[in-house]
Formats: sequence, C-alpha cells, structure tokens
Amino acid sequence: ELKVEQNPLFLSMQEGKNYTIYCNYSTTSDRLYWYRQDPGKSLESLFVLLSNGAVKQEGRLMASLDTKARLSTLHITAAVHDLSATYFCAVGNAGNNRKLIWGLGTSLAVNP
Amino acid sequence: NAGVTQTPKFQVLKTGQSMTLQCAQDMNHNSMYWYRQDPGMGLRLIYYSASEGTTDKGEVPNGYNVSRLNKREFSLRLESAAPSQTSVYFCASKGDSSYEQYFGPGTRLTVT
Repeated sequence: ELKVEQNPLFLSMQEGKNYTIYCNYSTTSDRLYWYRQDPGKSLESLFVLLSNGAVKQEGRLMASLDTKARLSTLHITAAVHDLSATYFCAVGNAGNNRKLIWGLGTSLAVNP
Repeated sequence: NAGVTQTPKFQVLKTGQSMTLQCAQDMNHNSMYWYRQDPGMGLRLIYYSASEGTTDKGEVPNGYNVSRLNKREFSLRLESAAPSQTSVYFCASKGDSSYEQYFGPGTRLTVT
C-alpha cells in the first residue's frame, strides 16, 4: 500500500532563511506532485516530477525527486512572507495514474 | 474558462438530511475526483470517475454516492448526513494528456 509522509508538518521560519520540506513515499511511483494551499483556499499545482533526478524551480521554490530513495524535497530559498501556505506532496499510484496518494501537508509560516 | 466550479460554497445540514454537491469543469477532462479535507488528515479520495459513465470508490466512500452526469459534471450525494461528514469537499479534474489535477474552490460542509 502506497503511503506518503511529509516532514516537518509545521514549519516557522524567518524571512531570508532557507529550508527544506521532505516527502517520502513507500512504494514505486512514476510521478510526484507538489501543491500549494493558502488558508481557506483551493489547491494549486506547483510542480510535477516525472523521473529520477528531476529538478524544477519556480522563483524561490525548487523541487527534486530521487526515485531510488523514494524521496522528494521542496527547497525554499530566502523565504518571504508570501510563501506562507500549506504545501502538499502527492504521489501517483503506479499502474493507476489517475489516483494520487497525499501527504498530510506542511504548514509553513514565514515571519518578518 | 472557469476551470472547475463547485456549488454550494458553504452548507450547514442537520444530521440525517441529504444533499448533493455539484461539480462542473469546462476543460474537457475525462477524469474527475471528489476529495474531503480534514484537519490533520490531508486529502482523502472519496470517489473518482475515469470517464463519463464510470465511477470507482476511493479511500473513504462510505456514506457517499456519486453520479457522472456527463463529461462536464460529477456530483457527490450525502443520503443521510452525519457529523463525521463535516469537512471541506474538493472536486478536481484531470485531462488524459496532462499530469496535474485541477481543483475547484471547495465546499465547506457542517453537519450538526
């Protein structure tokens, strides 16, 4: 059974600092997603990672995927307040790519 | 292009009442999903539909029914609401040629 674990679940950081959110999954998968959710809002797709070693960057966020370690990271560089949100990783169920298994989310607060 | 729309945005029900949550997408996507989001539980798949005329159970289908009315619309019905169904419900859709799921704005349901 595919399980997805994110850590940390809560993260409070200062503006200008760097930090990494980790997403581990338990069985083989061929795609991993990162989504962002602002409080009271819907989910917005950030990145889709499809292959081992994939790296994608958008602004201060960079996501990477290591399929051998079953690990994805979301790295935040020089955090700003606007990045405060909850970040979810989700993993495609191998063989059934329409279904995703979701992590519990990392609630990020960036403080001045 | 409205994307994924959901109605209603908010709803309060009494235990035992029934209601239908509506979802529509205008992106010509084949796959549609219903999730519930509870604090500390991440997103859990209730039902999904891979194409018009087909539906399948997700992780937490008990107490719910769905209808894929046509390619655009996918509704979720609570026949006899229970307080445990208090949650935020998200509908999502995905095209065959895309990887991401696109989410609606959500319905906040309270069952008293």
